[in-house]
Amino acid sequence: DQQVKQNSPSLSVQEGRISILNCDYTNSMFDYFLWYKKYPAEGPTFLISISSIKDKNEDGRFTVFLNKSAKHLSLHIVPSQPGDSAVYFCAAIYSGGGADGLTFGKGTHLIIQP
Amino acid sequence: KAGVTQTPRYLIKTRGQQVTLSCSPISGHRSVSWYQQTPGQGLQFLFEYFSETQRNKGNFPGRFSGRQFSNSRSEMNVSTLELGDSALYLCASSLVGGSNYGYTFGSGTRLTVV
Repeated sequence: DQQVKQNSPSLSVQEGRISILNCDYTNSMFDYFLWYKKYPAEGPTFLISISSIKDKNEDGRFTVFLNKSAKHLSLHIVPSQPGDSAVYFCAAIYSGGGADGLTFGKGTHLIIQP
Repeated sequence: KAGVTQTPRYLIKTRGQQVTLSCSPISGHRSVSWYQQTPGQGLQFLFEYFSETQRNKGNFPGRFSGRQFSNSRSEMNVSTLELGDSALYLCASSLVGGSNYGYTFGSGTRLTVV
């Protein structure tokens, strides 16, 4: 059973526009959420995170929104740039020491078109 | 500062053999986690070590094992390799583990079992 789901395997966005990547989770114990970006042949790179006590966290062009009641989070990238083309993973964890480490979604391949 | 270093980068092994992968965490980081990435399953948590002790374990068979040394370096071993073990194995380090301190990933070891 997949506890973190990214239902869009790929997303194509024009350069300069907003990219919105979505993520749903089922485990209500998760209390911390992270987004990672991954280029081919490299490890994931941490982008931004949010605690369950917040509903928004912003860092430059990146904003993460959390809707706890819907068990949904989204990553907004504004404006989108060619270097943003990569696979984006949503991850969740129960910071109280659960047995599963980070639980990842399967990723969304973001393609920024010129 | 040096990042997370994984060796080797690429490895080809024959079914039935065993393999050992190595991970050197960021200096000062005491937690090392291992993940398996495959196209079908995405990123899946294998186990986490902290201060030479396995703290958490994912849902993988006993053929997958690991250890951590006093200098926080970690090794992962897979015995009796199967074709399905072909994957990218990623190591992540953090100060003490847990979400609030973030995880930094290495570039991974690409294991191919033939």
